Amino acid sequence: SAVISQKPSRDICQRGTSLTIQCQVDSQVTMMFWYRQQPGQSLTLIATANQGSEATYESGFVIDKFPISRPNLTFSTLTVSNMSPEDSSIYLCSARDSPYEQYFGPGTRLTVT
Amino acid sequence: GNSVTQMEGPVTLSEEAFLTINCTYTATGYPSLFWYVQYPGEGLQLLLKATKADDKGSNKGFEATYRKETTSFHLEKGSVQVSDSAVYFCALSVINYGKLTFGQGTILTVHP
Repeated sequence: SAVISQKPSRDICQRGTSLTIQCQVDSQVTMMFWYRQQPGQSLTLIATANQGSEATYESGFVIDKFPISRPNLTFSTLTVSNMSPEDSSIYLCSARDSPYEQYFGPGTRLTVT
Repeated sequence: GNSVTQMEGPVTLSEEAFLTINCTYTATGYPSLFWYVQYPGEGLQLLLKATKADDKGSNKGFEATYRKETTSFHLEKGSVQVSDSAVYFCALSVINYGKLTFGQGTILTVHP
């Protein structure tokens, strides 16, 4: 199974600033995803990070707000831009290395003041 | 569209009690079904999965059977422990390598 690490594990940021979250997988994986988990809520998919091309965003999420990079098969970044308190959430990176197995990182806990 | 509905929580049980968390789904196509667990302060861990009708997934004493006729994937455990206290998420994926659709999560608290 893939082991996923994220940095930072948590951060407190001021509104109007941006934060970049890094996701590292210990093996090459076909697909990587970014999810958001708002306080006390379930997980919502932000986008699929495509290696070497633009990410595929879900309805309600846009590239200007959540730019994503995936330069290779083991690494991806998510940037939360021009943050507001409504962006306070846990952001989780996920990866698939088989058709039925999807693994998650420990999450990045973001608080925007 | 695809959706997952879990029983309302939170669920509070005494140690060694029987656990059932209901999960039903709607999906276009033939989904794979999953249960994930999130322990306090941690990310999600895959607990068990089933990829076709009548499959039973099992792990750590937890079981769930893929019931196509009732579009359900209920999670059960015969005797819960305090260490099982966590949030449990039911999820589905319709296309291989595709995205997961999650239920709202069920908080389980087990008291000694």
